[in-house]
Amino acid sequence: SQQGEEDPQALSIQEGENATMNCSYKTSINNLQWYRQNSGRGLVHLILIRSNEREKHSGRLRVTLDTSKKSSSLLITASRAADTASYFCATGLVEYGNKLVFGAGTILRVKS
Amino acid sequence: NAGVTQTPKFQVLKTGQSMTLQCAQDMNHNSMYWYRQDPGMGLRLIYYSASEGTTDKGEVPNGYNVSRLNKREFSLRLESAAPSQTSVYFCASSYSGSGVYNEQFFGPGTRLTVL
Repeated sequence: SQQGEEDPQALSIQEGENATMNCSYKTSINNLQWYRQNSGRGLVHLILIRSNEREKHSGRLRVTLDTSKKSSSLLITASRAADTASYFCATGLVEYGNKLVFGAGTILRVKS
Repeated sequence: NAGVTQTPKFQVLKTGQSMTLQCAQDMNHNSMYWYRQDPGMGLRLIYYSASEGTTDKGEVPNGYNVSRLNKREFSLRLESAAPSQTSVYFCASSYSGSGVYNEQFFGPGTRLTVL
């Protein structure tokens, strides 16, 4: 089964609204990363948060990490049509070295 | 800088045929990865190479072999393709080390269909 599971599987919002995606995982991690994938393209890194961090910001992105609940959330504020994409969380497991385990992703559609 | 490049972009094979997917990076990264992406499954790690001269199995290595030709290049070979290997294949690279966690950079992918 997947280490990281995103929720919801799909999200549809209006331009200007905020989008929140959640990721839950099962085993101890050393870092958690979020990636974006536009249709038919490769993944692009958005943000990395280490296990000893609780919150990080990057532009319109805000990521939180709660290691006690084994969960993370990605908030995109003031969404734009160009934010339409699939979003994946990827966990770096403590026993897995520098490899990542990806979740199945959340499909975000921003309607203009 | 080209980043991570993959060839070919598309490929159709018949069951039993072999082929090699090529990947190269120009960012001087030590670690390289091969993933496959299937609908609704996210990305699954096939093989990875922590450094030049080393390779290790990932989550789904069966039916594949890899070669880390040098620091820049990491190839994935299908010796006898099967329909179950129909997928999109992504190569990625990163700078990694003990206690060092960095983002992975991805190539554009290879869409492989096995008939």
